[in-house]
Amino acid sequence: DAMVIQNPRYQVTQFGKPVTLSCSQTLNHNVMYWYQQKSSQAPKLLFHYYDKDFNNEADTPDNFQSRRPNTSFCFLDIRSPGLGDAAMYLCATRNPLGETQYFGPGTRLLVL
Amino acid sequence: AQSVTQLGSHVSVSEGALVLLRCNYSSSVPPYLFWYVQYPNQGLQLLLKYTTGATLVKGINGFEAEFKKSETSFHLTKPSAHMSDAAEYFCAVSPGSSNTGKLIFGQGTTLQVKP
Repeated sequence: DAMVIQNPRYQVTQFGKPVTLSCSQTLNHNVMYWYQQKSSQAPKLLFHYYDKDFNNEADTPDNFQSRRPNTSFCFLDIRSPGLGDAAMYLCATRNPLGETQYFGPGTRLLVL
Repeated sequence: AQSVTQLGSHVSVSEGALVLLRCNYSSSVPPYLFWYVQYPNQGLQLLLKYTTGATLVKGINGFEAEFKKSETSFHLTKPSAHMSDAAEYFCAVSPGSSNTGKLIFGQGTTLQVKP
């Protein structure tokens, strides 16, 4: 089945230690999104790619970076995680000809 | 600018009872509207969406929603709740004319289903 895959599902890192979360998709969608979702809150868009065109949200901290080496893969890099960065990180994809975003299962990040 | 308001952060119903989750939106352009469901420690799954055409849309798991432009609402209903419906539900809006497809989410409603 075509899908959006996120690895790992759970990630533990230390305060200030760089961490990378990964997302891959078999849907061949041009658009990919990264969201941060804190406990009991709505997902918050961090940035998105349209092909290789990167679009950062105005309020996304500089601590968050992203890479998209090809259509299938997208990475979220947190350069110096703080305790406040503990959250669920959701990846989503969309066919630009359609309206629906398809979400992966998420990676829950714990910062010690 | 667009926004979404979900009335009621927690809704509790008995199994077999009607489910009604409320969503109101604000949009300066014709919106696309979505309902997503999220189970614990899972991603978001699309329940249904409205883009154009018929204002009553049917989704998965017996859910449906009606787009009411005059009321700027897109409430989610299900005639008979099942225990497996217990989850977090998010209403979202996207500007129909945008090629970014950015979603603006409501704050979510937790649905509890009592036996």
